[in-house]
Amino acid sequence: NAGVTQTPKFQVLKTGQSMTLQCAQDMNHEYMSWYRQDPGMGLRLIHYSVGAGITDQGEVPNGYNVSRSTTEDFPLRLLSAAPSQTSVYFCASSSPSVGEKLFFGSGTQLSVL
Amino acid sequence: DAKTTQPNSMESNEEEPVHLPCNHSTISGTDYIHWYRQLPSQGPEYVIHGLTSNVNNRMASLAIAEDRKSSTLILHRATLRDAAVYYCIPTNTGNQFYFGTGTSLTVIP
Repeated sequence: NAGVTQTPKFQVLKTGQSMTLQCAQDMNHEYMSWYRQDPGMGLRLIHYSVGAGITDQGEVPNGYNVSRSTTEDFPLRLLSAAPSQTSVYFCASSSPSVGEKLFFGSGTQLSVL
Repeated sequence: DAKTTQPNSMESNEEEPVHLPCNHSTISGTDYIHWYRQLPSQGPEYVIHGLTSNVNNRMASLAIAEDRKSSTLILHRATLRDAAVYYCIPTNTGNQFYFGTGTSLTVIP
């Protein structure tokens, strides 16, 4: 199993550009979530999903959209990138079947100029 | 969400035990106490979690106070690979984890 796969690993955007961060998991986990981590800070929850077709907002949802059309995929869309969105983005999955432990991807380093 | 208080940083000598404290005085009765750690340049990884009783696994032990307002993560013999930021997270859901700033553990050879 690959676990949680995030692409790309690095991305540079110009202010105002849009892009999608990809996240896929092959563990058949019901729950998926997106976090951002700014330098020297802990992770902050952006959006989460409890299953296909169901998403909800976390602590810092503004400027981001998500959708969950399949169990495996949970893409994060930046609508109009801003320098304040420069961060490392982590995707995670979990399931009651594994004690609701979070499994994280390796992260995407995003820089917005 | 329960607020947590953890020391910003701690140091330990290699091969000695480490006790990482966490205060969560506003924890609800249904919150599990989760601990994760984040090694440099990696995503967080699960360490241990528990509800009321002390818990042990191959990585660590978790000691939970009787009133559940605090807990302690115990690494029995710190190694250099244990140098990381450790997060204490009370939560009763499997999909909403609110990380604080954690404790940065330095292991001294």
